[in-house]
Amino acid sequence: DTEVTQTPKHLVMGMTNKKSLKCEQHMGHRAMYWYKQKAKKPPELMFVYSYEKLSINESVPSRFSPECPNSSLLNLHLHALQPEDSALYLCASSPSTGGDGYTFGSGTRLTVV
Amino acid sequence: GEDVEQSLFLSVREGDSSVINCTYTDSSSTYLYWYKQEPGAGLQLLTYIFSNMDMKQDQRLTVLLNKKDKHLSLRIADTQTGDSAIYFCAEIPSYNTDKLIFGTGTRLQVFP
Repeated sequence: DTEVTQTPKHLVMGMTNKKSLKCEQHMGHRAMYWYKQKAKKPPELMFVYSYEKLSINESVPSRFSPECPNSSLLNLHLHALQPEDSALYLCASSPSTGGDGYTFGSGTRLTVV
Repeated sequence: GEDVEQSLFLSVREGDSSVINCTYTDSSSTYLYWYKQEPGAGLQLLTYIFSNMDMKQDQRLTVLLNKKDKHLSLRIADTQTGDSAIYFCAEIPSYNTDKLIFGTGTRLQVFP
């Protein structure tokens, strides 16, 4: 298995909803990432987990809450989002940080209404 | 700064070669990547080059690296309509190896 799987592929949520994005990999990678991509822009790093511990939070608002329950799973919990949070959310993994083998999922397209 | 620069747009005729350029920020970056993104899709890793290499060839793709000028290029030979997409270069800088920094992206349009 050489893939990063993200669910759901599309999500529409209201500003008062709570939802979660899920990411899964079975490549034995020990680093996992969340990126946010707005239309016509490059992906921007949000969070990095290394060996299931949060190593980077790029000053992301607290309405985004990451969780790494085990080495294969990465979640992003969403609460009280704003319409400007609408974007493509990409998960990635790599064997470790700083090396090669970065693999991205196909993303969750989030629309906040 | 953290601005990895690419030209915004490139248009080529089918069958010609395409060259997409990238200027990155850290001359000590260890890995440099090229990703392809089709409309509505995620990122597909095309190829990468380690910093001790000047060139890497993989079928129709040739990557050239000029560390002195911090310049990276991707050449696509015999460009096809299926190559139409946005291409992002990316680097892992030595000052923060937890982070993959993307370029601004180049939209490649291939016309018949």
